[in-house]
Amino acid sequence: QKEVEQNSGPLSVPEGAIASLNCTYSDRGSQSFFWYRQYSGKSPELIMFIYSNGDKEDGRFTAQLNKASQYVSLLIRDSQPSDSATYLCAVRGDSSASKIIFGSGTRLSIRP
Amino acid sequence: EPEVTQTPSHQVTQMGQEVILRCVPISNHLYFYWYRQILGQKVEFLVSFYNNEISEKSEIFDDQFSVERPDGSNFTLKIRSTKLEDSAMYFCASSDAGGQYFGPGTRLTVT
Repeated sequence: QKEVEQNSGPLSVPEGAIASLNCTYSDRGSQSFFWYRQYSGKSPELIMFIYSNGDKEDGRFTAQLNKASQYVSLLIRDSQPSDSATYLCAVRGDSSASKIIFGSGTRLSIRP
Repeated sequence: EPEVTQTPSHQVTQMGQEVILRCVPISNHLYFYWYRQILGQKVEFLVSFYNNEISEKSEIFDDQFSVERPDGSNFTLKIRSTKLEDSAMYFCASSDAGGQYFGPGTRLTVT
């Protein structure tokens, strides 16, 4: 059974600090890795995707991938109260038609 | 910015009835998906669709489920005979081979 594991949280971070979210996956054949943000009662919103080992930056967000350790992380710099949400890590195989397997999410709370 | 749309936003149906959930994917996307999320649980994959056929389906996607792309813009999910356990949020997503972009969802309530 292919799994994606995340700490459920809640993770509480002061406003302006860096929030660090982590994820591990079980299938070594996974090729694409995604971070989604989900506000309560809403649909998942794609934040970033990463395919290669290393870091990928987009604005305040940095995704980090280590395929040898089967580990993906998301850093959020200068955290804002509006970043308070559940962050879903997701992985996909080598085909664009393949399913995405989601973790159960980490609840992030940014305290003013 | 282009987005995936879904109708209806909320559907209430009686057990045993058929429902059709509708989606309009992003116009230049080629890959389409249905997921569902039972309240408080993970997002679960149902089916993917490419080139007018099913590419992959999960164990959840049994004979009671079907998908169709009846024209160049719509993508539908049909549940033939709904069960209480089908109550969930159903999300349509589309992709251009990169990330999958999700619609706002249809909340299905089976009574």
